[in-house]
Amino acid sequence: DIVMTQSPDSLALSLGERATINCKSSQSVSSRSNKKNFLAWYQQKPGQPPKLLIYGASARESGVPDRFSGSGSGTDFTLTISSLQAEDVAVYYCQQYYSTLYTFGQGTKLEIK
Amino acid sequence: EVQLVESGGGLVQPGGSLRLSCAASGFTFSIYNMNWVRQAPGKGLEWISYIKSSGSDTYYVDSVKGRFTISRDNVKNSLYLQMNSLRVEDTAVYYCVKEGQYGSYSAVWGQGTLVTVSS
Repeated sequence: DIVMTQSPDSLALSLGERATINCKSSQSVSSRSNKKNFLAWYQQKPGQPPKLLIYGASARESGVPDRFSGSGSGTDFTLTISSLQAEDVAVYYCQQYYSTLYTFGQGTKLEIK
Repeated sequence: EVQLVESGGGLVQPGGSLRLSCAASGFTFSIYNMNWVRQAPGKGLEWISYIKSSGSDTYYVDSVKGRFTISRDNVKNSLYLQMNSLRVEDTAVYYCVKEGQYGSYSAVWGQGTLVTVSS
């Protein structure tokens, strides 16, 4: 199974600051043939189901604010929030869908300092 | 509007069984692969099962293999999870999840149904 490891486990930043969350997979989740990346990011607020933010490592889901961006390929990926807003307080998860035994990272809790 | 509504959760004793259902609406259910994902109280997300759009292929995480069975009814637009031999560690919120238009990411999530396994 592919193991997904996120860093840091938690993050506390001031409003307006840039947030960077990393996700590393135990093996590549990118296709060499068509250069597709099988990595998604989700946001989960307390008491709510997760919400898709990013798929294909960098494609923003419809309706997601453009302060959210994703990058990376192979085994190393990053979710960036360019300017932190109060409503971004949540737990963020990465997920690989390269292998059918889809796996999630352990989550990164983002708080306001 | 795409909607997934889970039902069937509740309190069950260790060794017991439950059947979860997920009613899908707002999209062509029969052409999408579907998944179940669970979240234990205060913990992270765990993918547990997948079923192909036609129902012909299924996959499970090792911890539920042989105990849980995923199925679907493309006429009733419904997804199911039969859970047998339940254990205390199966206690979690169970989410029904629709895959995306451009890949197997978890595009749409239901609100979840809580399964509590306790004596």
